[in-house]
Amino acid sequence: KQEVTQIPAALSVPEGENLVLNCSFTDSAIYNLQWFRQDPGKGLTSLLLIQSSQREQTSGRLNASLDKSSGRSTLYIAASQPGDSATYLCAVSPDTGRRALTFGSGTRLQVQP
Amino acid sequence: DVKVTQSSRYLVKRTGEKVFLECVQDMDHENMFWYRQDPGLGLRLIYFSYDVKMKEKGDIPEGYSVSREKKERFSLILESASTNQTSMYLCASSLLSTRHEKLFFGSGTQLSVL
Repeated sequence: KQEVTQIPAALSVPEGENLVLNCSFTDSAIYNLQWFRQDPGKGLTSLLLIQSSQREQTSGRLNASLDKSSGRSTLYIAASQPGDSATYLCAVSPDTGRRALTFGSGTRLQVQP
Repeated sequence: DVKVTQSSRYLVKRTGEKVFLECVQDMDHENMFWYRQDPGLGLRLIYFSYDVKMKEKGDIPEGYSVSREKKERFSLILESASTNQTSMYLCASSLLSTRHEKLFFGSGTQLSVL
């Protein structure tokens, strides 16, 4: 059974810092990996999707990388801002079988002004 | 933009009640999902559907059922609500029926069962 782990569970940084969030998964037979953002009490918003054949995806100040063989992904946030404060979750979809994502528990990020 | 709408933002129900959570998406997506989210446990898949009248159990289907009579609507039913079903319920949809693409979520329903 696929397991997704995110470390750290919480992170606090001063505004302007670059930071990296980590995601690892146990089964490398994935089709894609997504990073989501969740604000308190709200639903999830998809930030980046990386297909298993890709190494990275970029959107603005966000860059997500994928190393499928080692079961790892990172989300890099450049020049962090207080508005980036949220919980960030990664999720993987399987290469075969059930068509549903497995989520990590998330990293709660706080960017201090 | 894709919109996934959950009918209620907050619900308070009593133990034993039958509860309906409704979800509607407006982009003709084949896949629809119901997750629950609990502190320390993350998101767990309850049920999903990849076509009208089709459904598959997720990881924690016990105590729940679903209905998908129309492509745009996916309902989650708690046949007899219990206190351990107090949770945030999240509906999601995605486009392709055979492979995963971007997943779009509703705003969630915070259900309290007293």
